[in-house]
Amino acid sequence: DIVMTQSPDSLAVSLGERAAINCKSSQSIFYSSNNKNYLAWYQQKPGQPPKLLIYWASTRESGVPDRFSGSGSGTDFTLTINSLQAEDVAVYYCQQYYNSPWTFGQGTKLEIK
Amino acid sequence: QVQLVQSGAEVKKPGSSVKVSCKASGGTFSSNAISWVRQAAGQGLEWMGGIIPMSGRTNYAQKFQDRVMITADDSTSTAYMELSSLRSEDTAVYYCAREVAGYFDLWGRGTLVTVSS
Repeated sequence: DIVMTQSPDSLAVSLGERAAINCKSSQSIFYSSNNKNYLAWYQQKPGQPPKLLIYWASTRESGVPDRFSGSGSGTDFTLTINSLQAEDVAVYYCQQYYNSPWTFGQGTKLEIK
Repeated sequence: QVQLVQSGAEVKKPGSSVKVSCKASGGTFSSNAISWVRQAAGQGLEWMGGIIPMSGRTNYAQKFQDRVMITADDSTSTAYMELSSLRSEDTAVYYCAREVAGYFDLWGRGTLVTVSS
């Protein structure tokens, strides 16, 4: 199974500042034949299901604010949240869909400093 | 707009089985797969398996292979996840989610399954 490891486990950022969450896969999740990285990012607020933010490592889901962006390739990826808003407090998960079983990172808890 | 509506909370005894349903409201499953992901309290997300309702083809995580059965009725756009031989560690919220190429773009609100004697 592909192991997904996020860092840090928790993060406190001031309102209006930038937050960066890292995700590392135990093997490359880049498929050269279509030039795609098989990685998604989700946001989960308390008592709610996860919400898709980013797929193919950098494609923003419809309706997701453009302060959310994804980057990286191969085994190392980053979710960046620019100009942090209070409503961005949540747990963020990365997920690989390169190989079954689909696997998630352990989550990163984002709080306001 | 399609929503995934899940069945209500369940309380089960150890050793028993539970069957959770997930219905597409306001639309159909189309050709998408439906997956099941669980989350124990305060823990992360764990993919259990999925089904393509149109074909009935299933794909299970090896961890659950012997205990889970995922089925679907495409005519009613309803998917089901049955987990057997329940133990206390299976206490969790179980989500169904629409799968697109392996990522999940639409989630149900979750079903809490509590396993307790």
